[in-house]
Amino acid sequence: GQSLEQPSEVTAVEGAIVQINCTYQTSGFYGLSWYQQHDGGAPTFLSYNALDGLEETGRFSSFLSRSDSYGYLLLQELQMKDSASYFCALQGGTGGFKTIFGAGTRLFVKA
Amino acid sequence: GAGVSQSPSNKVTEKGKDVELRCDPISGHTALYWYRQRLGQGLEFLIYFQGNSAPDKSGLPSDRFSAERTGESVSTLTIQRTQQEDSAVYLCASSLGGQNTGELFFGEGSRLTVL
Repeated sequence: GQSLEQPSEVTAVEGAIVQINCTYQTSGFYGLSWYQQHDGGAPTFLSYNALDGLEETGRFSSFLSRSDSYGYLLLQELQMKDSASYFCALQGGTGGFKTIFGAGTRLFVKA
Repeated sequence: GAGVSQSPSNKVTEKGKDVELRCDPISGHTALYWYRQRLGQGLEFLIYFQGNSAPDKSGLPSDRFSAERTGESVSTLTIQRTQQEDSAVYLCASSLGGQNTGELFFGEGSRLTVL
């Protein structure tokens, strides 16, 4: 089957850079996605890596290494509003588009 | 509509009752997903549809759970003989369904409380 692992919590200071790691196990997949979820809200899409390397979207960047079964989300110039849960997700595999999520990383941004 | 719509937003029921949760995906999205999220937990995959077919039902917790989709549009998740452990937020998401950006668009969820 497929599984993903992420740290349960990360704390960082406003204005700093934080990296949230994600390791996964799968026999095949199309890409690795990242989602943000604020308390009481719906998950919202941040980034997607189909190929190895870095994808940059504003303050957020995401990285994938298929050979290492590893990815990360990098958040720069942290703001208080970035305090939320972040999920990595595997899309696809075995011919379908099933998307499986990790347990999530709770990010606390301190002033 | 502009986004994924779910109803009801909140449902309180008694143990043993049946509940139906509805999801209206974004028009034109061929893939539709159901997830369960318990308080403070991650998103637990339940089922996904490609068109009206469900290629993967592996996440349904028990035979009390079923889902259908019609007209490549609306989907209903039904939970029979609800148990207290079924209390959670049920999230629906839709996507274009192809090997594209991987973006799933989520509804605001249906919060189910079983007393």
